[in-house]
Amino acid sequence: QQPVQSPQAVILREGEDAVINCSSSKALYSVHWYRQKHGEAPVFLMILLKGGEQKGHDKISASFNEKKQQSSLYLTASQLSYSGTYFCGTEMNTGFQKLVFGTGTRLLVSP
Amino acid sequence: GAGVSQTPSNKVTEKGKYVELRCDPISGHTALYWYRQSLGQGPEFLIYFQGTGAADDSGLPNDRFFAVRPEGSVSTLKIQRTERGDSAVYLCASSPGVTETQYFGPGTRLLVL
Repeated sequence: QQPVQSPQAVILREGEDAVINCSSSKALYSVHWYRQKHGEAPVFLMILLKGGEQKGHDKISASFNEKKQQSSLYLTASQLSYSGTYFCGTEMNTGFQKLVFGTGTRLLVSP
Repeated sequence: GAGVSQTPSNKVTEKGKYVELRCDPISGHTALYWYRQSLGQGPEFLIYFQGTGAADDSGLPNDRFFAVRPEGSVSTLKIQRTERGDSAVYLCASSPGVTETQYFGPGTRLLVL
C-alpha cells in the first residue's frame, strides 16, 4: 500500500535538474508532495488531483499520471536550499484525506 | 498567522509511563491529523479528526494509544504504558478541510528509555 519512490537518493550539483518518482499500486485520488529537512517538519510543496494535471511554481513542478498511478516531481536548476528528503503522500479515497507517505527520496545539492 | 504548534518539543520517559502530546492547529482549520515518523521513514498515519470527532483512527497501533479533540481545536495524543518501540517523532498536521493541504507542526520527539 505504501507508494514507492525512486530514486532513493540523488546528489546534484547546484543548477542541475532532477526527477523524483512516486508509484502506487492503488488507484489514487490525489498526490501531495513535501520536502523535509533534517530535524524539521515536512513542508508542503504541491498537491495534484486525479486528472493528469501538472502544477508548478518557481522551478519545481509535478505531474500526475492517473492511468499509471504515478506522480513525478521535477526540480530544475536546483538550488542549495532544495536539499532534503522528499516525500509523496497519496490519498486513495475522496473526502477521506488519510495520506500514505512514500519511502522518501534524499536529495543533496552541492555547490 | 501562526502555524501548527506542538508541545513538548522533546519528551523523555521511562518504559511503562504515561505521556500526553499536545497539538495546536492553525486557527480555523477543521481537520487535524496525527502521524508518527520513525528515523529514515515517511510519516505514518495514526488518526484524523474532523471537528471534535475522530473520523478515522485506523492507524492507531493498539489500545494504548488514544487521542481527543474535545472542542474541535487543540488535540491531545495520549500513550499509556509506553514501550521502547513507541520512540519516534509524533507529527501533527491541520488543514482547512477535507482534501486540502495539510500543514505540519514541528513534531514532538518521544524517547522511551
